[in-house]
Amino acid sequence: SQQGEEDPQALSIQEGENATMNCSYKTSINNLQWYRQNSGRGLVHLILIRSNEREKHSGRLRVTLDTSKKSSSLLITASRAADTASYFCAEYSGGGADGLTFGKGTHLIIQP
Amino acid sequence: DGGITQSPKYLFRKEGQNVTLSCEQNLNHDAMYWYRQDPGQGLRLIYYSQIVNDFQKGDIAEGYSVSREKKESFPLTVTSAQKNPTAFYLCASRTVNSPLHFGNGTRLTVT
Repeated sequence: SQQGEEDPQALSIQEGENATMNCSYKTSINNLQWYRQNSGRGLVHLILIRSNEREKHSGRLRVTLDTSKKSSSLLITASRAADTASYFCAEYSGGGADGLTFGKGTHLIIQP
Repeated sequence: DGGITQSPKYLFRKEGQNVTLSCEQNLNHDAMYWYRQDPGQGLRLIYYSQIVNDFQKGDIAEGYSVSREKKESFPLTVTSAQKNPTAFYLCASRTVNSPLHFGNGTRLTVT
């Protein structure tokens, strides 16, 4: 399986600003998932968007999905220092049990 | 609290030695996974198991072995055949149509 790509690879913004990360994927997906990873820790699931959905919200997170462009974006509004982490998208094509295909991640730094 | 426990957090081994990483979950999940993460990279799937006594190779299974004798446990052995074993290893589990739950990883250093 091939990895998707997150863009940008790294992003540094001031606290309170919004952060946008993009993800391009390869397959026809069943759903696309976003995860956060704090340094040296495991990944934590943030949000899942299904292929028939275009936008989803969870607290300060907003995810969009454009299946025609095979792309998704994650917006974090009113960023906080605690949002500093790496963010990964993962595509799930369904039909099997081999898990997800993860991108390489965007490293987000929130400057206080 | 339910979760996934990986141990140890840090592991150091000499080249040529086999080493086993532990992964235990009390979430009652059927499926379990092992991923490898290298610096600045995404996760690559090593092995996965959907059910007890059954497991499948992922994208980078060479040099690794697993067992699934109990639903709660999915240990990973890094053998001496693995050419570049130094990495961060993550175990995860999930139930049908749910996202992955991850442990906090084991950082393996082989010198």
